Amino acid sequence: AQSVSQHNHHVILSEAASLELGCNYSYGGTVNLFWYVQYPGQHLQLLLKYFSGDPLVKGIKGFEAEFIKSKFSFNLRKPSVQWSDTAEYFCAVDSSASKIIFGSGTRLSIRP
Amino acid sequence: SQTIHQWPATLVQPVGSPLSLECTVEGTSNPNLYWYRQAAGRGLQLLFYSVGIGQISSEVPQNLSASRPQDRQFILSSKKLLLSDSGFYLCAWSGGIRDNEQFFGPGTRLTVL
Repeated sequence: AQSVSQHNHHVILSEAASLELGCNYSYGGTVNLFWYVQYPGQHLQLLLKYFSGDPLVKGIKGFEAEFIKSKFSFNLRKPSVQWSDTAEYFCAVDSSASKIIFGSGTRLSIRP
Repeated sequence: SQTIHQWPATLVQPVGSPLSLECTVEGTSNPNLYWYRQAAGRGLQLLFYSVGIGQISSEVPQNLSASRPQDRQFILSSKKLLLSDSGFYLCAWSGGIRDNEQFFGPGTRLTVL
């Protein structure tokens, strides 16, 4: 069965530190990959997505993610985080047009 | 533009009482619709999804059911709530094409006492 693993449950960083959040999925076929973000008190919203083409995907607010097919990974990165990046981040995988499976989420706390 | 509504925003119900949470989408037709439960540290658990009126797929066996009486209406129900049904319920929609980006509603916080 399809699954998504986010191994970091809570990450705490200082402002200007670099960020990498891990995401691994299990599915042997073609997948679409997403990162969603939920800022405190706000709706879940799309950060970035990968369907095909360049495996390095740029998203909003300076985030990027790299799809490494051989590692079944889609890690999220940002070179320099800000206090406003404090949020919960969810990786998701879609192997069909009907449903998406989400990871358990990573809570990111940024010290000002 | 498309919008998604959920109500109520919060609900407190006694154990054994029925439940009905409603989700409606505006500005699109024939969307895929989803119900998720979000629990701290457990992410989003897909409960039900629907690709059309009257078509419901259940992902997790549980005390809940879903219905889609109209194209842009998705209802989450229970006949008798359990304490374990407490949680934050999110409705989402997608275009149902290969670009399956999902758009989420504001959620309903359900507390069962």
